[in-house]
Amino acid sequence: VMTQSPVSLPVTPGESASISCRSSQSLLHRNGNNYLDWYLQRPGQSPQLLIYLGSIRASGVPDRFSGSGSGTDFTLQISRVEAEDVGVYYCMQSLQIPVTFGGGTRMELK
Amino acid sequence: EVLLVESGGGSVQPGGSLRLSCEVSGFSFRDYWMQWVRQAPGKGLVWVARINSDGSGTTYGDSVKGRFTISRDNAKNTLYLQMDSLRDEDTAVYYCARDQVGVGATIDYWGQGALVTVSS
Repeated sequence: VMTQSPVSLPVTPGESASISCRSSQSLLHRNGNNYLDWYLQRPGQSPQLLIYLGSIRASGVPDRFSGSGSGTDFTLQISRVEAEDVGVYYCMQSLQIPVTFGGGTRMELK
Repeated sequence: EVLLVESGGGSVQPGGSLRLSCEVSGFSFRDYWMQWVRQAPGKGLVWVARINSDGSGTTYGDSVKGRFTISRDNAKNTLYLQMDSLRDEDTAVYYCARDQVGVGATIDYWGQGALVTVSS
């Protein structure tokens, strides 16, 4: 089970934001990788990959986005929030089948 | 440019069947594992199924196991999802998605989605 918090996150543009994702089981593989991804779904759009293997930014993702954590606890941090960052953020584990998503965190601007 | 275009969505009665297709372009389809992910109206993402690159291996989410079948035709660059015994709770937008190479089931590209409505 993947648990995200908070469910709703109002943020002032230019400030930082942090989203937590907790797994009921360790996502650390014996190869040393954490199989935890972060996705952003902007309003009316398909999801897009932000971070994979816990901390690696996907191609084209601004360095304002960073992922950290290991095992069961992970964090997505967004610095200098911009209007285009609005949407729902999901974590996803792919260490085990079935793949599971967190419930989502809706980030909006104040 | 990588493109994934779903088709085949629509309305169907409970107990009915529907087949979704996802035609891809811009990459070598036969080299990639593929997935289906769905999203009920106003709800979060739910993983549905995954298939390996040659179609010989498939896995399913518990809610669709035994009712849905994922398949592919590498000659046609097309992914399929055969949905049988449909229920009201299967109503959702269904996304076709591509695995990122060498990173487990990380999804690096998503289609625009196809809406399936199950209702009497």
